[in-house]
Amino acid sequence: DQQVKQNSPSLSVQEGRISILNCDYTNSMFDYFLWYKKYPAEGPTFLISISSIKDKNEDGRFTVFLNKSAKHLSLHIVPSQPGDSAVYFCAASAWGNQFYFGTGTSLTVIP
Amino acid sequence: KAGVTQTPRYLIKTRGQQVTLSCSPISGHRSVSWYQQTPGQGLQFLFEYFSETQRNKGNFPGRFSGRQFSNSRSEMNVSTLELGDSALYLCASTVRGTDGSYEQYFGPGTRLTVT
Repeated sequence: DQQVKQNSPSLSVQEGRISILNCDYTNSMFDYFLWYKKYPAEGPTFLISISSIKDKNEDGRFTVFLNKSAKHLSLHIVPSQPGDSAVYFCAASAWGNQFYFGTGTSLTVIP
Repeated sequence: KAGVTQTPRYLIKTRGQQVTLSCSPISGHRSVSWYQQTPGQGLQFLFEYFSETQRNKGNFPGRFSGRQFSNSRSEMNVSTLELGDSALYLCASTVRGTDGSYEQYFGPGTRLTVT
């Protein structure tokens, strides 16, 4: 049973525009959420995280929004750059014991 | 600080054989987790070790096992390999910040191909 879902396998965005990647979860006990970026033949790279006590966290061009009532989080990248083209995974955890990952969204930023 | 290292990077085995993968976490990190990544399945959690003890385990058969040594290095073993075990195996080391945040860093992975 997939507790973390990324329903969009792929997304294409023009350079300079906003990229919005979505993630849904089912377990209300999750209290920590992370986003990772992955290039082929490399391990995932941590991007940004958010605790369940917050609803927004920003780091440069990356902002993560958390809607606990909807069990939904999203990653906004503004402005999008060609170097952002990669697979993005969201992950969730309850007390840091185990991290559940989504299946990933492949982002392509078109120059 | 050196990152998470995994060896070997690539491995080809035949069905029925066994394999051992190795992971060295970031210095000072005591938690090591293993994940299996296959196309369309995302990252599936295998198990997590902390201070030489298995703390969490995912839904994988007993053919998948692991251990952690006193220096926090970890090994993962898969016995009686099946074709479906072909995947990228990722190791991650995790540390908890003083503000309650988690930082999880991944190694480059070991690409296992079973023929």
